[in-house]
Amino acid sequence: EIVLTQSPGTLSLSPGERATLSCRASPSVDNNYLAWYQQKPGQVPRLLIYGASSRATGIPDRFSGSGSATDFTLTISRVEPEDFAVYYCQQYGYRPRTFGQGTKVEIK
Amino acid sequence: QMQLVESGGGLLKPGGSLRLSCAASGFTITDYYMHWIRQAPGKGLQWISFIGGSEGHIYYADSVKGRFTISRDAAKNSFYLQINSLRAEDTAIYYCVREWSAFDLWGQGTMVTVSS
Repeated sequence: EIVLTQSPGTLSLSPGERATLSCRASPSVDNNYLAWYQQKPGQVPRLLIYGASSRATGIPDRFSGSGSATDFTLTISRVEPEDFAVYYCQQYGYRPRTFGQGTKVEIK
Repeated sequence: QMQLVESGGGLLKPGGSLRLSCAASGFTITDYYMHWIRQAPGKGLQWISFIGGSEGHIYYADSVKGRFTISRDAAKNSFYLQINSLRAEDTAIYYCVREWSAFDLWGQGTMVTVSS
């Protein structure tokens, strides 16, 4: 099983600041089958990034993904008020599919 | 319009059983891997099971093997999750999800509460 470890657990930011979220995989995720999701309270998770760096349909370009193998990053270039949420990474290259434990981006 | 609609949740007693349903529209479920994912109150996302491909490959998380059964009905374009021997820790929102480029389409979820 691939274990995904996200850091930090909570990120406190002001609107307009840059957010950098980390996801580490053990063992590595081949073919960059790594995705990021956003979940706001009471809402369904939404796909942001797939293939480690491809934005899903309708996702603003302030969201970007990078990384490979064991180290992946989700960056929000300038956090907007609507971006305060929990973010999950997930690998979909192996069985079982696994999620990270989540990073909460909160208003500072 | 592509969508997934879950049904079948509710308040159940420990030891009971239920079947969750997921009705798909706007696409054909046998063209994709279809998954069940759950989220306990205040917790993260937990992958449970998938069924997919023309052959209907099935896989379960170790934590649910033996109690959970996934199935599908291609004619109804629907898939299901049978849960037996319900436990308090099965209390969660259960989402049905399509996998294409990752998990790209989610249902709204159905709440399952297990309590005596």
